[in-house]
Amino acid sequence: AQKVTQAQTEISVVEKEDVTLDCVYETRDTTYYLFWYKQPPSGELVFLIRRNSFDEQNEISGRYSWNFQKSTSSFNFTITASQVVDSAVYFCALLTGFQKLVFGTGTRLLVSP
Amino acid sequence: NAGVTQTPKFRVLKTGQSMTLLCAQDMNHEYMYWYRQDPGMGLRLIHYSVGEGTTAKGEVPDGYNVSRLKKQNFLLGLESAAPSQTSVYFCASSFGSSGNTIYFGEGSWLTVV
Repeated sequence: AQKVTQAQTEISVVEKEDVTLDCVYETRDTTYYLFWYKQPPSGELVFLIRRNSFDEQNEISGRYSWNFQKSTSSFNFTITASQVVDSAVYFCALLTGFQKLVFGTGTRLLVSP
Repeated sequence: NAGVTQTPKFRVLKTGQSMTLLCAQDMNHEYMYWYRQDPGMGLRLIHYSVGEGTTAKGEVPDGYNVSRLKKQNFLLGLESAAPSQTSVYFCASSFGSSGNTIYFGEGSWLTVV
């Protein structure tokens, strides 16, 4: 069975703090893809990153970085120097086999000024 | 620059009424999906389609029907709305091969009273 666990329900930080959102996944497939999506207060789902199971290289995009570790089945997301505009719900998701995306329950990030 | 467009964005229904949510995508994607989002449960797949004229059940299909008469459109129908169908509905689309990024619409807020 495919499963994604985001144990952190809500995180509160003060602006400029660094914050890491955890994601742990379960799958028996050897080929799979991991995603992060952002859901701001306006409600839409914004694609942030896609990573396939054969590429464990970490990625950095501006203030965002992702740490993929197959040994611990984790795909963690770090925001450096957080800003108020980063306040949102962040979803980690796993895609295996036939384009079926399995979502975690999300982590709500609150960044206060 | 439209991407995935959903209509309507907000709707209030009485129990037993029927309605249809319309999804349109302009990215020439083969696959389309309908998800529902409920508090604390992430997003769950209702139905999906791998091409014009085809549909398939997802994780939570009961109480919903879908149709894909045109490649760019995917309709979600509620035949007899129930309060348990109060949710936020997201349409999504992707190219057909495995591992492609799934792009989401802005969501449709449905309340059944």
